[in-house]
Amino acid sequence: AQSVSQHNHHVILSEAASLELGCNYSYGGTVNLFWYVQYPGQHLQLLLKYFSGDPLVKGIKGFEAEFIKSKFSFNLRKPSVQWSDTAEYFCAVNAGSSASKIIFGSGTRLSIRP
Amino acid sequence: DTAVSQTPKYLVTQMGNDKSIKCEQNLGHDTMYWYKQDSKKFLKIMFSYNNKELIINETVPNRFSPKSPDKAHLNLHINSLELGDSAVYFCASSQDGRGLGYTFGSGTRLTVV
Repeated sequence: AQSVSQHNHHVILSEAASLELGCNYSYGGTVNLFWYVQYPGQHLQLLLKYFSGDPLVKGIKGFEAEFIKSKFSFNLRKPSVQWSDTAEYFCAVNAGSSASKIIFGSGTRLSIRP
Repeated sequence: DTAVSQTPKYLVTQMGNDKSIKCEQNLGHDTMYWYKQDSKKFLKIMFSYNNKELIINETVPNRFSPKSPDKAHLNLHINSLELGDSAVYFCASSQDGRGLGYTFGSGTRLTVV
């Protein structure tokens, strides 16, 4: 069965620091990959997605993610975080026999110190 | 206009009661979903309907029954509520049955006391 692992449960950074959140998935075939963000008390919003083509994907709010097929990874990055980036971040995959649904990782809580 | 709307936003109820959560989308999407987010923020799919037809039914107690009167609506009825049902329930929709990117509702926080 497909699964998504986010190894960082809680990341604390100061403003202007660089961010990288790890995401690994388990599936050997074609995958579609997503990062969603959930601001405190709000619903999930799509940050970016990868379907095919350029493995470096740019999303909203200055976020980007790189798909590395050989490492089964889709890490999220941002060169300089802001206090307003405080949120829960979810990596997700849609693949193979589970193509009709998205499977989410357990989430990474990002806290930004002003 | 809200793309995916859920009601109610908050629901507090006693154990053993029966309750319903409603979801409507005005995006013209074919597929709708229910996800449960537990206290540790873990999101797990419960059900999916494509054009009123059930296509995903994960391992969910049969106390949970989804109903889709048309492709714009997917309601969730829960019988005999238990303490462990306390969670945030999110409705979502996608353009087709492949789940290529969801639009989520704002969630319903269910608290069973």
